[in-house]
Parts: sequence; structure tokens; C-alpha cells
Amino acid sequence: ETGVTQTPRHLVMGMTNKKSLKCEQHLGHNAMYWYKQSAKKPLELMFVYSLEERVENNSVPSRFSPECPNSSHLFLHLHTLQPEDSALYLCASSQDPGGSYTFGSGTRLTVV
Amino acid sequence: SQKIEQNSEALNIQEGKTATLTCNYTNYSPAYLQWYRQDPGRGPVFLLLIRENEKEKRKERLKVTFDTTLKQSLFHITASQPADSATYLCALDHNQGGKLIFGQGTELSVKP
Repeated sequence: ETGVTQTPRHLVMGMTNKKSLKCEQHLGHNAMYWYKQSAKKPLELMFVYSLEERVENNSVPSRFSPECPNSSHLFLHLHTLQPEDSALYLCASSQDPGGSYTFGSGTRLTVV
Repeated sequence: SQKIEQNSEALNIQEGKTATLTCNYTNYSPAYLQWYRQDPGRGPVFLLLIRENEKEKRKERLKVTFDTTLKQSLFHITASQPADSATYLCALDHNQGGKLIFGQGTELSVKP
């Protein structure tokens, strides 16, 4: 365990389903991030939250909706996804901007 | 446009040798650069951070250099072991705002 826990580890969903990914950290970090990692491509930054406020939305389609109810929890709500959204979704946290990131193990998402 | 480039081809070396991985970037002026290790199906793990005013950083068998004139970082693993086999990612801060942008990674394979 890295201190950042993601659930579920694997998720298969149909294009009409609604699901949520969960991320939890108890490291006392102030910033949390969602990244998407597709095969043979760099990690793509999706969303940044700092002190529970969204400070970045990297042109992500509206079918992805983040939520940060407190500094320890981050969600990614999914609805009407496309097969090309299949990827490893990684959550990370950092003490503050400028520090190293602690990543979770990711959720392997498959859209069928 | 902004770009981070790492060797896209896998690096295969013999146990005991030094592995050297390269990270080049264009159109960035990062305040720091970080290196991560990623194993298959897992999230990246932080290894080292080097700031723009530092030329070199060491940690056990790892050494990182940072040349802001060449816009390049080199990552060395000395006395490499099969357990060092993984994908290594470089990342740099985007506009000094604390958001990390990642390269696509270089896969290292250390043969016994």
C-alpha cells in the first residue's frame, strides 16, 4: 500500500452504465489528481484539486465528472463512456504543488 | 509545442552494468524534474526529484543529472539488478504550477 487507495481495481462497464471510481489518501496531502494512462501513451492529466477546490480541468469530456468532498477523498463519476475511454485511471496526491506525487495502484477500466 | 521525450525503445542490459535513461524536453522551463518507476499494472512510484539549480542528485544506486541548457535529464542505475526491470518515467512541472507532465517512459530490462 502506498498510502493512496483506489477502488475498484478492475471495472468493466457498458456504454450506458454509470459508475464511480474512488480514491482515498490519509497522508495529509493537500492536492489530489486524476490521470489517465492508455497503452503506450504518457500519463494524461485530467483533473487537479487543491484544498478541495478544482484548479484544473484539462479539456476532459463531460462524461467524466470529478468530485472532491474533502481533502482525503476524490471520486471520478463515469457515465455514457466510449470504448476508447478504456484505460488505467490513476489517482495521486501531493503535500502541495511542487512536491513528489504518491500514486494509487489504479483502476483498470474496460468499456464494452 | 511543448514536448517531453524519452527513449521509446526498450533498454536491455546485463546485470551489473550501468543503465542510462534519457529525458529531453522542449518549450518548458521547469523548476524541477522528477523520475518515477512503474511496474506493470501498478501506479508510478517516486524515485528522485532534482531542482533547476542542482546539477546532480544521488540516492543509493541511482543518479540523476539535470542540464537546463541542453534541456535534458539523465537517469543512471549503477550495478543494475533484474529487480530494476520496470518502466521509468520522467516528469516535470508545468509552468511551475505544481502539475506534473509525464514522458511516455522507457522500459528497462536487466538480464541475469
